Amino acid sequence: EVQLVETGGGLVQPGRSLKLSCVASGFTFNNYWMSWTRQAPGKGLEWVASITNSGGSTYYPDSVKGRFTISRDNAQNTLYLQMNSLRSEDTATYYCTKAPRGYFDYWGQGVMVTVSS
Amino acid sequence: DVVMTQTPVSMSVSLGGQVSISCRSSQSLVHNNGNTYLSWYIQKPSQSPQLLIYKVSNRFSGISDRFSGSGSGTDFTLKISRVEPDDLGVYYCGQGTQYPYTFGAGTKLELK
Repeated sequence: EVQLVETGGGLVQPGRSLKLSCVASGFTFNNYWMSWTRQAPGKGLEWVASITNSGGSTYYPDSVKGRFTISRDNAQNTLYLQMNSLRSEDTATYYCTKAPRGYFDYWGQGVMVTVSS
Repeated sequence: DVVMTQTPVSMSVSLGGQVSISCRSSQSLVHNNGNTYLSWYIQKPSQSPQLLIYKVSNRFSGISDRFSGSGSGTDFTLKISRVEPDDLGVYYCGQGTQYPYTFGAGTKLELK
């Protein structure tokens, strides 16, 4: 059974940093691209970042480019999202997703990030 | 960016009925490799989204054949037949053909 378990969320002040982790199990982690997708309270879905299976390439939308960094440790079956210079508009539930090319087939339970002073 | 437009925003359905949700993209979703990366997700109340359909018409593992996807280019449809209580929630279409990946705003399916 595929499982994705996110940790690291919480309340953080604007301009500060936070790092999310996602431990994966139930599939061969290093065979698959992975992504982060977020959902602001009461809003729709927004793709945040993707990383190739080797970790050699990463992709971001303009809204987080230069502030967020996705990375992975294939030996530990763990995906990360380093979030710097956080803004109030980054407040959302962040989902770790297994991401075969072009879609998201498994989602974690999500972790809440609140950016507020 | 590719804009995904879903209609309707919400709809009411009777149990056992059939519904169709439309999703239109501002650009063709045909990738250079010939695949069309249009997917559908359901988010049930207080749950994470779940994949229903990928690459336009492929049902994900464990998804009932009551769900079907169709379309091409910029115009896509999700059909749900014989609606059951567990089908209620918000449906999203998403495109993974072009970065940034984008989603529609969602269609809320409620009981009549």
